[in-house]
Amino acid sequence: QITLKESGPTLVKPTQTLTLICTFSGFSLTTPGVGVGWIRQPPGKALEWLAHTYWDEDKRYSPSLKSRLTITKDTSKNQVVLTMINMDPGDTATYYCAHLYSSSWTYWYFDLWGRGTLVSVSS
Amino acid sequence: SYVLTQPPSVSVAPGKTARITCGGNNIGSKRVHWYQQKPGQAPVLVIYYDSDRPSGIPERFSGSNSGNTATLTISRVDAGDEADYYCQVWDSSSDHVVFGGGTKLTVL
Repeated sequence: QITLKESGPTLVKPTQTLTLICTFSGFSLTTPGVGVGWIRQPPGKALEWLAHTYWDEDKRYSPSLKSRLTITKDTSKNQVVLTMINMDPGDTATYYCAHLYSSSWTYWYFDLWGRGTLVSVSS
Repeated sequence: SYVLTQPPSVSVAPGKTARITCGGNNIGSKRVHWYQQKPGQAPVLVIYYDSDRPSGIPERFSGSNSGNTATLTISRVDAGDEADYYCQVWDSSSDHVVFGGGTKLTVL
């Protein structure tokens, strides 16, 4: 059974750096054809893809946020870490991590999601 | 970058069929995935690869994709289907994930 859980601060100040951890179980990030991604959702707004990492160390970032994001994985701990620098009140959102999968290594989708963690940015 | 367009809202009476569209340039050449999100909950995958259903998703949920429009169809709608629905594709040219803006399904 695959599970994912996000953890991190609930409140950060403007200009600070946000570090979120996704701790997962039920799969290995060394298995070909899988990945873990981060998606956020501001209150009352749509889902926004942020970044994902594949089993093979390859990583992808949203073009609009690429300069502020870093995604890393620790396969020994079954964790994926997302770092976002220079936080702004506009980054207030629920942040989700999700299991990324594709049977063909193309047309990827998120088949299982964590419950999300709400991060507020305010001084 | 690739853009997906969804209607902000769709309304349907109980027992009827709801159709939620997702528009994109030549989206028929891609594979579309759909997520259901109820208030206060994480999204749940309901359709992948245009028309496949994950285990546990009722047969009332189906999908199609052709030309510039993909469609999520929910038959025999009931109050439990009231939710936000998002389409998603993987843009092969950039290896990026793209979500649509979401559609709020209201059951009258």
